[in-house]
Amino acid sequence: DIQMTQSPSSLSASVGDRVTITCRASQTIYTYLNWYQQKPGKAPRLLIYTAFNLQGGVPSRFSGSGSGTSFTLTINSLQPDDFAAYYCQQSYSVPYTFGQGTKVAIK
Amino acid sequence: QVHLVQSGAEVRMPGASVRVSCKASGYIFSDHFMHWVRQAPGQGLEWMGWITPISGVTNYAQKFQGRVTVTRDTSISTVYMEVDMLRSDDTAVYYCARGGRDGYNPVDYWGQGTLVTVSS
Repeated sequence: DIQMTQSPSSLSASVGDRVTITCRASQTIYTYLNWYQQKPGKAPRLLIYTAFNLQGGVPSRFSGSGSGTSFTLTINSLQPDDFAAYYCQQSYSVPYTFGQGTKVAIK
Repeated sequence: QVHLVQSGAEVRMPGASVRVSCKASGYIFSDHFMHWVRQAPGQGLEWMGWITPISGVTNYAQKFQGRVTVTRDTSISTVYMEVDMLRSDDTAVYYCARGGRDGYNPVDYWGQGTLVTVSS
């Protein structure tokens, strides 16, 4: 199985900050990397697919980059609605493993 | 618009089985994979498997092979996931989620989740 490792596991930030979350794969997944946001008690929401493509309806302050084994989710100018958990997931090889998640909290 | 509506919460004894349904609407059911993902209380997301509605072909994570069965009824645009021999660590919210036309595509719509509680 491909292992997905996110860092950090949690962070505190203020409204307006730029936030970066990293996801590393244990082997190449090319650009088959997706990012999801999840708020407490809710289903996840797709933000970014195939590494850098913004899902429809997602604000442009979210962006993704990377390929191979190293990927980044960036949130520019953090908004109050962005405080949530974020997960990366590889869709290159079954099982489609998720990272352990990153919780973004208010500082 | 796309909707995935799941069946309600379930409570089961250890060793029992549970079946969760997921009714799709708002798109061509046979055109998209359907995935199942679960989340134990306070934990992260765990991918379980997918089904291709057009053919019924399934693919499961090794961890769930032999204990999880996903089926579909195309006449009512519904996918079912059954978990057998339940254990306490199967307590989780189970989500169905729509994929793309192949396995490489991400899931873009999610059901509301079904809490399955396994307890004696």
